[in-house]
Amino acid sequence: SFVLTQPPSVSVAPGQTARISCEGENIGSRSVHWYHRKPGQAPVLVVYDDSVRPSGIPERFSASNSGNTATLTITSVDVGDEANYFCQLWDGSSDHHWVFGGGTDLTVL
Amino acid sequence: EVQLVQSGAEVKRSGESLTISCKGSGYSFSTYWISWVRQMPGKGLEWMGRIDPADSFDNYNPSFEGHVTISVDRSIDTVYLQWSGLKASDTATYYCARVDDRAGNHPFDYWGQGTQVTVSS
Repeated sequence: SFVLTQPPSVSVAPGQTARISCEGENIGSRSVHWYHRKPGQAPVLVVYDDSVRPSGIPERFSASNSGNTATLTITSVDVGDEANYFCQLWDGSSDHHWVFGGGTDLTVL
Repeated sequence: EVQLVQSGAEVKRSGESLTISCKGSGYSFSTYWISWVRQMPGKGLEWMGRIDPADSFDNYNPSFEGHVTISVDRSIDTVYLQWSGLKASDTATYYCARVDDRAGNHPFDYWGQGTQVTVSS
């Protein structure tokens, strides 16, 4: 089954830009979704189909996907963005229909 | 407002049975698939299986097939995840999520708050 690899943690200073990667073999040929999950809260979809923001998600959140790496970018980071971010894709060709990355903890220093 | 509300935390012993629930509101319940996702302590997320509330068609990640059952009661807009013989390794947080299959690549557009299941041996 498809494997998605994320760094365990990313740290950035307030006001800076955070980039969270999601690596997989030829992931650029798939559509990737991104979520965040804050302690005690339900996960929230922040980007789907590589780069589309759902209604209500700030423009500070963007994403790209090419080659073997998909990337979520968060600009002007603040402490409210601290969360676990994880990527996901739909793999309809296998029995493991949906595959998740291991998740990345974003810390705002 | 779309909401998925899950049942509360459970503490069980190995071998016992358990059913947890996920109730949808704020949308046409039968229109969207529901998936279940497991997160074991300190681990990433794993897709377990999904059900189409419209016709009760279900399918499972092979890693979970035969160990859990997903079902639906359309009369009360609720999906269930059931175990007939829990193991200590079932200790985890379980999430239900709505699948947006209008988008071609099926993102999970709404999630429940999670149900913590603790199984003691």
